[in-house]
Amino acid sequence: GAVVSQHPSRVICKSGTSVKIECRSLDFQATTMFWYRQFPKQSLMLMATSNEGSKATYEQGVEKDKFLINHASLTLSTLTVTSAHPEDSSFYICSADGGVEPVYNEQFFGPGTRLTVL
Amino acid sequence: TQLLEQSPQFLSIQEGENLTVYCNSSSVFSSLQWYRQEPGEGPVLLVTVVTGGEVKKLKRLTFQFGDARKDSSLHITAAQPGDTGLYLCAGAKGDYKLSFGAGTTVTVRA
Repeated sequence: GAVVSQHPSRVICKSGTSVKIECRSLDFQATTMFWYRQFPKQSLMLMATSNEGSKATYEQGVEKDKFLINHASLTLSTLTVTSAHPEDSSFYICSADGGVEPVYNEQFFGPGTRLTVL
Repeated sequence: TQLLEQSPQFLSIQEGENLTVYCNSSSVFSSLQWYRQEPGEGPVLLVTVVTGGEVKKLKRLTFQFGDARKDSSLHITAAQPGDTGLYLCAGAKGDYKLSFGAGTTVTVRA
């Protein structure tokens, strides 16, 4: 149980193009999904919190027009990196809040998407 | 500045040895999670602790939550090469967000 998938796992694109990453909860419904960015040998940096049917909440310093998030259903959230540039190259990971009890705040992570912008 | 401080940052040990990773904070958490992440993959949840003083065992892994719910430790007994990975602690303070530590890279040599 509590399986989260991401697609694609790897993407290489040219500078200036937009890239969409999908995050799906496969065997449970997720009211809240999260998008993280991770640089090599570093911890996860929360970019935004995505709630089904409402606008995403972005962390300080994250450009919402650059990183468009849509959470159209209880099993799918998408992150679109618009007009990608080499500095956007990173490992993007999504997670879903699948906690049984509200206080647990457990998150289940997808396998990540490696984005390389040339 | 990270809300959760993990130590050590790197740990390299021989197979069969024991190791302990620490996660400390000045903040109180309603729950704390430990994750393990392998290169190129997402973190995998190992355990959640919610009660001060709680000890949870998962085979050779022992997790402890401090009495004041500000710190936690992960102890691995008789480490194996399969235990190699990045260990992350993450705390929740009652809302939906997790604050992650910087991680501890564990390498177990065969």
